[in-house]
Amino acid sequence: DAEITQSPRHKITETGRQVTLACHQTWNHNNMFWYRQDLGHGLRLIHYSYGVQDTNKGEVSDGYSVSRSNTEDLPLTLESAASSQTSVYFCASSEMKGSPLHFGNGTRLTVT
Amino acid sequence: GESVGLHLPTLSVQEGDNSIINCAYSNSASDYFIWYKQESGKGPQFIIDIRSNMDKRQGQRVTVLLNKTVKHLSLQIAATQPGDSAVYFCAEKWRNTGNQFYFGTGTSLTVIP
Repeated sequence: DAEITQSPRHKITETGRQVTLACHQTWNHNNMFWYRQDLGHGLRLIHYSYGVQDTNKGEVSDGYSVSRSNTEDLPLTLESAASSQTSVYFCASSEMKGSPLHFGNGTRLTVT
Repeated sequence: GESVGLHLPTLSVQEGDNSIINCAYSNSASDYFIWYKQESGKGPQFIIDIRSNMDKRQGQRVTVLLNKTVKHLSLQIAATQPGDSAVYFCAEKWRNTGNQFYFGTGTSLTVIP
């Protein structure tokens, strides 16, 4: 079955370090997204991509970057981790723009 | 103003009873809505969706109602089971923002055996 996998599931890092979260999907979807989930907030969009070499900023993109070199992967990089980036991160993909999102099981990131 | 939100943060129901989870939205330009279920330690899972040209849609044990007049969305779960215990949240797609989804904060449903 097609799926979307995130790694690692848990990560602890120190302030100022660079961190990369992996996302791999086998749906062959062109559209991929990164969200963060925090208490008191709905899922908030960080970055998204509508295809290879395409990347776009979401509503909370500061301090994050993504790259899309193939259809299957959209890694999320925190250039210099901050405590405010402690969160649960979800990767998602969709078949078409505006169609339902398929989510991974998340990465819990703690920045100390 | 409030975008996507939920009236109740928590809801407890007896097993076998029906559950109703509500969602308010403020953007009259929203044209598509989805309910997601999120179990502990997992990602959100699609339950049911509805387009703005519809008032009601039914799935297996779930029904979504859309009231565009008061910008209200509800999820009804029939004969609630322990496996229904999870966080439920709605998502709306704004027609005029590049097909992006905006998510509510969620309601935690607990089913009491």
